[in-house]
Amino acid sequence: AQSVTQPDIHITVSEGASLELRCNYSYGATPYLFWYVQSPGQGLQLLLKYFSGDTLVQGIKGFEAEFKRSQSSFNLRKPSVHWSDAAEYFCAVGALENTGNQFYFGTGTSLTVIP
Amino acid sequence: NAGVTQTPKFQVLKTGQSMTLQCAQDMNHEYMSWYRQDPGMGLRLIHYSVGAGITDQGEVPNGYNVSRSTTEDFPLRLLSAAPSQTSVYFCASSLWLAAYNEQFFGPGTRLTVL
Repeated sequence: AQSVTQPDIHITVSEGASLELRCNYSYGATPYLFWYVQSPGQGLQLLLKYFSGDTLVQGIKGFEAEFKRSQSSFNLRKPSVHWSDAAEYFCAVGALENTGNQFYFGTGTSLTVIP
Repeated sequence: NAGVTQTPKFQVLKTGQSMTLQCAQDMNHEYMSWYRQDPGMGLRLIHYSVGAGITDQGEVPNGYNVSRSTTEDFPLRLLSAAPSQTSVYFCASSLWLAAYNEQFFGPGTRLTVL
């Protein structure tokens, strides 16, 4: 079965510091990759997505992510974190399988930003 | 556009009670789905629909029913609530069911079953 792993349950960074959230996936072919953000009390919002082509994708709110096929990773980065970035971040995979289109979500990484 | 709306935002039930979580979208999306979110488990798919009149089970369908009589609405019914159904429920939609399509999520319903 396919899977998405976010190894960091919780991360704390200082405002202005850089951020990297890790995501690894298990899938035979190249999957469709997504990062979503969930602010407190809100639903999930798409940050960015990767389908093909340039392995570095830009998203909203200054986020970017890099697809590394050799490492089966799709890590999310931001050069300088703002207090408003405190939220939960989910990596997701869209896969076309024999049973049809499937979506798999990681367990999420909670980000705390300290002043 | 309101996007994906869900009601209620909060609900407390007693074991054995039934209720319906409402979900509506105004984007003319064909695909709609229900997830539950539990700590440490991410989002798990309960049921989904690829269009009006068509529904199917996801990963954790037991104890839940759905129907899709219109493109806009996709209610989730809890038949006899159990404490194990305490969770946050999210409704989501996308243009159609495809692995490359972004999903749009509602704000969620936080359900507690006593």
